[in-house]
Amino acid sequence: EDQVTQSPEALRLQEGESSSLNCSYTVSGLRGLFWYRQDPGKGPEFLFTLYSAGEEKEKERLKATLTKKESFLHITAPKPEDSATYLCAVQVHGGYQKVTFGTGTKLQVIP
Amino acid sequence: DAGVIQSPRHEVTEMGQEVTLRCKPISGHDYLFWYRQTMMRGLELLIYFNNNVPIDDSGMPEDRFSAKMPNASFSTLKIQPSEPRDSAVYFCASSPPGLAGLGYNEQFFGPGTRLTVL
Repeated sequence: EDQVTQSPEALRLQEGESSSLNCSYTVSGLRGLFWYRQDPGKGPEFLFTLYSAGEEKEKERLKATLTKKESFLHITAPKPEDSATYLCAVQVHGGYQKVTFGTGTKLQVIP
Repeated sequence: DAGVIQSPRHEVTEMGQEVTLRCKPISGHDYLFWYRQTMMRGLELLIYFNNNVPIDDSGMPEDRFSAKMPNASFSTLKIQPSEPRDSAVYFCASSPPGLAGLGYNEQFFGPGTRLTVL
């Protein structure tokens, strides 16, 4: 069974304090890994897609990286508006459009 | 575009009652997904459709759950009879056509329906 584990469950940062969120996966054959952001009371919002080990994607203060076993979401000099729950999800070969989500990391950035 | 529309936004019902959740996907999207989110289990895929046809319903917890997509602009998720353990936030998401089923197109989520079964 495909498994996606995110750590830590919660993270509290001071504004400007950079850190990384981890997403480790155990799947039969990774086709793609995705990061979503979810604000309280809202649905997840797509951030990045990563397809192969070594690939990196950036958006503002966020950078996602992928290895053969895990992905990191690096947050550089975060701001309070980056506070949200960050979800990663995996898609496997043969799974078509089905993705399996991790339980997320709740990030709080304090001014 | 208004995005994915879900109704109702909140539903409170008593155990044993029938519950129907509704979703209108983004126009032009041919994939529609139903998810359930709880603190304990996170976001779980229940079922998804492609061109109104159910493709994978392996996440539907039991026969009390059913989903339909009678046309490209409307889908329902029904729970009958409802139980307290069904309490969760239910999300509908849609995505645009893929490249012959390959690759991944980002999913656009609706605001969710918070269901409470007493």
